[in-house]
Amino acid sequence: GAVVSQHPSRVICKSGTSVKIECRSLDFQATTMFWYRQFPKKSLMLMATSNEGSKATYEQGVEKDKFLINHASLTLSTLTVTSAHPEDSSFYICSAVKQGIGTEAFFGQGTRLTVV
Amino acid sequence: GQNIDQPTEMTATEGAIVQINCTYQTSGFNGLFWYQQHAGEAPTFLSYNVLDGLEEKGRFSSFLSRSKGYSYLLLKELQMKDSASYLCAVTATGGGNKLTFGTGTQLKVEL
Repeated sequence: GAVVSQHPSRVICKSGTSVKIECRSLDFQATTMFWYRQFPKKSLMLMATSNEGSKATYEQGVEKDKFLINHASLTLSTLTVTSAHPEDSSFYICSAVKQGIGTEAFFGQGTRLTVV
Repeated sequence: GQNIDQPTEMTATEGAIVQINCTYQTSGFNGLFWYQQHAGEAPTFLSYNVLDGLEEKGRFSSFLSRSKGYSYLLLKELQMKDSASYLCAVTATGGGNKLTFGTGTQLKVEL
């Protein structure tokens, strides 16, 4: 199976600072990656679709200026949580899909963000 | 829009069979996935259905009825390690490979 690497796995930051999370497809090219947020014991909520070489598409209610997404290459997408606040504390997961409809999504290991 | 529902929690006995249901109302439905997620970990792929019928893969099977907007995941010969959250997710035409997840079902396997 394909491998998607997400880094860091855990991060603690102070309120007001920014945190960058990386998502890499290690053995395939991904023109599209997805960013999800998950609250404890809840399902995954899609935040945005990251498109290589173009602007990300954000889901309704997700602040694009708060959650900056960059997809500069076919193997890397980054999510930057800007001016983080305690309510941004959550589990963030990325996924990447190989070309073709119906192909399974491969998920990164997730990032546990804690804002203090 | 999309509306995807699953039971919140289920409990089953080791060695038994459990069925986890998922109902959906999705415009332009284009496929349904089942994922398993252990606490604090990423989801792992279990199955994919796009046509009506049953897909069997070892101890896990998944069924889809497009006309009823209904799917289930069947787990046989339950093991303690099957205790996890099970997520159904759908894709829709025009959405590329974007997954919209259901509410998730927390399965607890007991002795």
